[in-house]
Formats: sequence, structure tokens, C-alpha cells
Amino acid sequence: NAGVTQTPKFQVLKTGQSMTLQCAQDMNHEYMSWYRQDPGMGLRLIHYSVGAGITDQGEVPNGYNVSRSTTEDFPLRLLSAAPSQTSVYFCASRMRYRVYGYTFGSGTRLTVV
Amino acid sequence: GIQVEQSPPDLILQEGANSTLRCNFSDSVNNLQWFHQNPWGQLINLFYIPSGTKQNGRLSATTVATERYSLLYISSSQTTDSGVYFCAVEANSKLTFGKGITLSVRP
Repeated sequence: NAGVTQTPKFQVLKTGQSMTLQCAQDMNHEYMSWYRQDPGMGLRLIHYSVGAGITDQGEVPNGYNVSRSTTEDFPLRLLSAAPSQTSVYFCASRMRYRVYGYTFGSGTRLTVV
Repeated sequence: GIQVEQSPPDLILQEGANSTLRCNFSDSVNNLQWFHQNPWGQLINLFYIPSGTKQNGRLSATTVATERYSLLYISSSQTTDSGVYFCAVEANSKLTFGKGITLSVRP
């Protein structure tokens, strides 16, 4: 049982490049979500999903796309990276019934130059 | 959306001291969690506590949902308790974080 796995752990992109941050969980959690963490800002919700085929926007969705084709995977796509997207990205998941709350991945540190 | 305020923003303790961290939130919530972010950036789930009181070793937490606040107690603090403590609340499937409390425990 690996929990929530994020890849890569570190990434440097050039402005305008695209990439996908991967998130996978093996706990059969229905709910999954993406956050970004910037200094002094706490964590802010980008996109979330309450089940396969269902996604919705969070607080800061601009510049990011998501899809949820399986219960296990919830990738985050940056179509054209900008320096303002330099941040640490966290993926999280939980069961539909909130017995234990959210479990977080170890994060991806992204730098856009 | 829901506002989450944590206080104090920074806390410096001598090893062995006790402390109380506070989280206020602006609306009814379905879920409240306390996390510890260690110096390596990992987010560790401390408590899932939408209401009531829970204890885990030297840490305990209390949430009074009707008054919209939660408290995290750290007793006999250790240097390994250093880091940032986040409160996060969930409503309508969206988890909202406070800005965190930075705790430094000095030996």
C-alpha cells in the first residue's frame, strides 16, 4: 500500500513548455485534489475530483487542466508554463466517507524559468 | 469561500514547554484536519477532527464546531515538533487551508 504517489519530485521547465504532473493512489479513494503551496500563502486548491469522470475547479485553476479517467490516477497538466507557476504541488485523496480525512503525496517542486 | 485563520503566526518554544495553536473558520464545515509540515516539506496528518476531542501521545486536539474553532495542544515539546502546523477545513468537497503556524522548538 503505497498511499499517494507523485512524480516527478523535482522539475525545471522553460517558459512556454508543457508537462504533466502525475498523481496515483492505491487506496481506492474516490476524492482526489491538487494544491499548490507558495511561501506565506498556505496551500491553495487548484482542481478536484469526486470520482472518475468528474472534475471541478478550485480556487486557482487558471493555467491548469485535469482529467480523471480512472479512480487511481489524477494527472495535472500545465499547457504553457509560466514563471508564476513556480511552486510546490501536492496531490491528495480521501475516501467518500471521511473517516480518516485526506492523505497527501510528498509533493513536486516545479521551477519555471 | 470559507476563511481559515490560524494564530499565532509564529511561535518559539523552549524544549519541554507546552503550547496551544488556534484555528478559526468562518462557516460550517464537514471536515477539519490538522497537519504538520516537517522541514523536508512532507505533510503529516495529525488529526481528523470535525468535532470533539482526540489525543495522540503528546498531542491533542479539540474542535468546537458550533463556535467554529479548533485547538491543537502540544505538551512537553521536542525539537522534532518544529515545522509548520496547518489547519484545513472542508465544505462542499473543497479543502481550504489556513496560512499555517511556524513553530520553532529550541533545545
